[in-house]
Amino acid sequence: DVKVTQSSRYLVKRTGEKVFLECVQDMDHENMFWYRQDPGLGLRLIYFSYDVKMKEKGDIPEGYSVSREKKERFSLILESASTNQTSMYLCASSKNRQGANSGANVLTFGAGSRLTVL
Amino acid sequence: AQKVTQAQTEISVVEKEDVTLDCVYETRDTTYYLFWYKQPPSGELVFLIRRNSFDEQNEISGRYSWNFQKSTSSFNFTITASQVVDSAVYFCALSEARNYGGSQGNLIFGKGTKLSVKP
Repeated sequence: DVKVTQSSRYLVKRTGEKVFLECVQDMDHENMFWYRQDPGLGLRLIYFSYDVKMKEKGDIPEGYSVSREKKERFSLILESASTNQTSMYLCASSKNRQGANSGANVLTFGAGSRLTVL
Repeated sequence: AQKVTQAQTEISVVEKEDVTLDCVYETRDTTYYLFWYKQPPSGELVFLIRRNSFDEQNEISGRYSWNFQKSTSSFNFTITASQVVDSAVYFCALSEARNYGGSQGNLIFGKGTKLSVKP
């Protein structure tokens, strides 16, 4: 019954390493999102995608990039990890709705990937 | 601008107590959606409820109830007879229907309220 799968639950990386966080959904959703969650700051949107090969910046895209080569997979990339990127990363997906109903999208979340950068 | 405020950072109650989690929102749109999500210790956010701005009818689902009041821009969540399994972080979120700068339909989350229910 798993719907959104994040490949790594816990990762420990060193400063300067390139980091890939993978997310796969099996619900045929058009929309996919990457959030980071930090204590006292809630969830902040990093990047999102409404279609294959399409990406849009969220509120905090600096230091991150994404890739969506297939509909079901959305990858978050840290080109050169830094200690301030230590965080919980949450992937989510939703069905696409158009027009006035677009705000009604219900997000389905993965279990999260806790990244520690040393 | 869109904003969601959950003023209560942490709440601690004893089992069987009732508890209300507050959520106040700001939006410039007349059509919008409000959500509550639950994040248990396992980490995965779980959808609880969605309301649209035209439906102010309160909703009850088992021990959970939601009070939506447009006059005060609030969407509060009450758990009746709380249980230890209710311990989690609860997020209120807002989504506007109209497309503002490419963020059509994206959720704005509050910072969350951590609820601890002790036996």
